[in-house]
Amino acid sequence: AQSVTQLGSHVSVSEGALVLLRCNYSSSVPPYLFWYVQYPNQGLQLLLKYTTGATLVKGINGFEAEFKKSETSFHLTKPSAHMSDAAEYFCAVTPRGAGGSYIPTFGRGTSLIVHP
Amino acid sequence: GAGVSQSPSNKVTEKGKDVELRCDPISGHTALYWYRQSLGQGLEFLIYFQGNSAPDKSGLPSDRFSAERTGGSVSTLTIQRTQQEDSAVYLCASSFGGLIYEQYFGPGTRLTVT
Repeated sequence: AQSVTQLGSHVSVSEGALVLLRCNYSSSVPPYLFWYVQYPNQGLQLLLKYTTGATLVKGINGFEAEFKKSETSFHLTKPSAHMSDAAEYFCAVTPRGAGGSYIPTFGRGTSLIVHP
Repeated sequence: GAGVSQSPSNKVTEKGKDVELRCDPISGHTALYWYRQSLGQGLEFLIYFQGNSAPDKSGLPSDRFSAERTGGSVSTLTIQRTQQEDSAVYLCASSFGGLIYEQYFGPGTRLTVT
């Protein structure tokens, strides 16, 4: 069974500072990896995903994430935080290969707080 | 193009009443998911529909919860005899159905049981 761990339920940064949100997965075969963002009172929307190819993936709003197989990680970063980045961020995985569940596994989410 | 829509956006009901929540997925999406999100909590999977296959109901918390999807499109989540602990935001998502595809989420229905 696969699982997703997001370290830190809350991350606080100053505007202009580096954003780092951590995601680690646990599965025997590296899964497909997704990051979603949820702004207040809205549904989730996709930031970026990794399926195959280049391990550094660029998404919307200046975010990027790097798949590191050796570390079973898919951490989300942004060089310079904006106030508008304040939101809840979810890491999610789906299994690669036949026989797995078609239900994505989501992390518990990390709330990003951006201070002026 | 149109995204996933949900109605109503807010629903206040009295304990013991039944409620129906509606989801209109993106046209052409074969997979549809329902999730529950309580305050400050992550996503709790409820039910999954894929095409004409039998739904995966493994996440439904009790037999008071049921869902159907008519014509492979619109879905309705029904909660019977609502309880205060059912208060949450109910999110619907749709996708093309393969594991490689991302989900598109609706804005949610905020349910408050008084």
